[in-house]
Amino acid sequence: DGGITQSPKYLFRKEGQNVTLSCEQNLNHDAMYWYRQDPGQGLRLIYYSQIVNDFQKGDIAEGYSVSREKKESFPLTVTSAQKNPTAFYLCASKTGGDSVTEAFFGQGTRLTVV
Amino acid sequence: GQSLEQPSEVTAVEGAIVQINCTYQTSGFYGLSWYQQHDGGAPTFLSYNGLDGLEETGRFSSFLSRSDSYGYLLLQELQMKDSASYFCAVFPGRDSNYQLIWGAGTKLIIKP
Repeated sequence: DGGITQSPKYLFRKEGQNVTLSCEQNLNHDAMYWYRQDPGQGLRLIYYSQIVNDFQKGDIAEGYSVSREKKESFPLTVTSAQKNPTAFYLCASKTGGDSVTEAFFGQGTRLTVV
Repeated sequence: GQSLEQPSEVTAVEGAIVQINCTYQTSGFYGLSWYQQHDGGAPTFLSYNGLDGLEETGRFSSFLSRSDSYGYLLLQELQMKDSASYFCAVFPGRDSNYQLIWGAGTKLIIKP
């Protein structure tokens, strides 16, 4: 079955540590997105990528980094520069360009700083 | 700037009908989508309106008026499982570098 998979589901990070969240899709989608969601809040865009080897900063990119070496994969690294990383992280994908299609979301990674 | 506005919370009774409004201000517009998110879960797609009018999918309907930059999601015969947050989203296309623009979400509380 086609879909988008995030791992791990829960992640604990120590102060000063970098962690990487995985996002893989087999939907053949060009566009992929990373969002952060805090309790009771909406989605805030961290990074997005429209095509392999290219990505753009979203509204809250500071303290995060991404790569897009393969169409299927868009990992997010939460660096030690991110001062308040505890949040729910959602990865999404959709077909790219001007086509208007639904976005598919992974099940999310809940990151907690310990 | 690009923005969407929707109420932060709506309360309704089981079996009733509820409408969640969304107004948008974006430089480009291809369509308005609605997503549902249960607590702790991922958003899932509910509906899409690219043209003016009403789209119906079972108990859920969505409406769009492009001239008013306004849309709504209508939920009928409310069930307790409909308790969730509902997000509207606009795809402005090239004007937003192909980002989706999201509303802050409306928490729907259903009382028995």
